Amino acid sequence: DQQVKQNSPSLSVQEGRISILNCDYTNSMFDYFLWYKKYPAEGPTFLISISSIKDKNEDGRFTVFLNKSAKHLSLHIVPSQPGDSAVYFCAALDSGTYKYIFGTGTRLKVLA
Amino acid sequence: NAGVTQTPKFQVLKTGQSMTLQCAQDMNHNSMYWYRQDPGMGLRLIYYSASEGTTDKGEVPNGYNVSRLNKREFSLRLESAAPSQTSVYFCATNQPQHFGDGTRLSIL
Repeated sequence: DQQVKQNSPSLSVQEGRISILNCDYTNSMFDYFLWYKKYPAEGPTFLISISSIKDKNEDGRFTVFLNKSAKHLSLHIVPSQPGDSAVYFCAALDSGTYKYIFGTGTRLKVLA
Repeated sequence: NAGVTQTPKFQVLKTGQSMTLQCAQDMNHNSMYWYRQDPGMGLRLIYYSASEGTTDKGEVPNGYNVSRLNKREFSLRLESAAPSQTSVYFCATNQPQHFGDGTRLSIL
């Protein structure tokens, strides 16, 4: 029973264009959502987050959108840069239990 | 990664051997977590500790034990290693989660 799903294992985008990474969840108890970026041989690093009381959060080139009714969130990267090439994980937190659940990741490749 | 230190970075074990993975943080965070990462499976929570003195099971706890030694340290123990436990193990704190660089564990 996968509570957080990233249905696209990989995505290729041209440099300068928009990258859109998607994530779906099933548990309505999740109240905080996060995106992480992971390079090979390193631990994931936090990128951006959103509380369930918001529908959008922006930080520079990164914007996260949350659609609670659809249980869907997305990460937009504009403009995409070759250094953005990495695996992106979405994660959901049930703050009542302190438990984070991660998706399976999407490998983004930004082509120069 | 600054703040969360995992040791060792690499380890090879034989089936049936035991081992403890160490994690220490200097961020004064209350919660600590252990994950494993396998190809196509993402990051799966093994155990976590919401605060010093408490531990709880995650998604895949079987075959593992943990100890929250103090606020800084959270160790993961494999009592009798099995090939299915070959993985990359990550320790993390909160919030948001800060991860160590991982321990790559191979069990032959």
